[in-house]
Amino acid sequence: GNSVTQMEGPVTLSEEAFLTINCTYTATGYPSLFWYVQYPGEGLQLLLKATKADDKGSNKGFEATYRKETTSFHLEKGSVQVSDSAVYFCALSDPSNTGKLIFGQGTTLQVKP
Amino acid sequence: GAGVSQSPSNKVTEKGKDVELRCDPISGHTALYWYRQSLGQGLEFLIYFQGNSAPDKSGLPSDRFSAERTGGSVSTLTIQRTQQEDSAVYLCASSLAGLAGDTQYFGPGTRLTVL
Repeated sequence: GNSVTQMEGPVTLSEEAFLTINCTYTATGYPSLFWYVQYPGEGLQLLLKATKADDKGSNKGFEATYRKETTSFHLEKGSVQVSDSAVYFCALSDPSNTGKLIFGQGTTLQVKP
Repeated sequence: GAGVSQSPSNKVTEKGKDVELRCDPISGHTALYWYRQSLGQGLEFLIYFQGNSAPDKSGLPSDRFSAERTGGSVSTLTIQRTQQEDSAVYLCASSLAGLAGDTQYFGPGTRLTVL
């Protein structure tokens, strides 16, 4: 079946540090891949997405590249800010299904000044 | 324009009671999804609507859970005879057409607490 595995959190970084949150997936066919973010007290919102292999999604300084050969979609940011503190969810949507999302377990990021 | 709205934002109920949760999707979005977010299970898919029909109900955890969508718009998730394990945040999302690459827009959620 389809599944997503994310690195365990919490991740604690100092401001301006480099961020990587690992995400790997298992899927039949060619899924679309997403990173969603949940800021404290707010709803889930799309951070970035990629719909085919080798695509790079980017937004707000975050990037992730769809790697079919390693079935990965790792999230990176060169210099994190305190305002990036949130829970990050990797997800896939299998094209043979109904667009429903299958989420990883989420990774909590805390950035300290 | 307006985003996805959900009501109520919080619901506290007693075990055994029925509850109804409402979702108002973004206007023009034909696809609507319900998910559940709980500490033990993470984010889980419950049901998918395309228009008023539900071609995928595979995530509903038991027959106590049901949902409907009317007029291709508002959806209601009903939980009958609530149990403590139903306590969670119920999230609704909508997308333009339900395609795999479509962005899903989430509502703020309904926090359900079953005492």
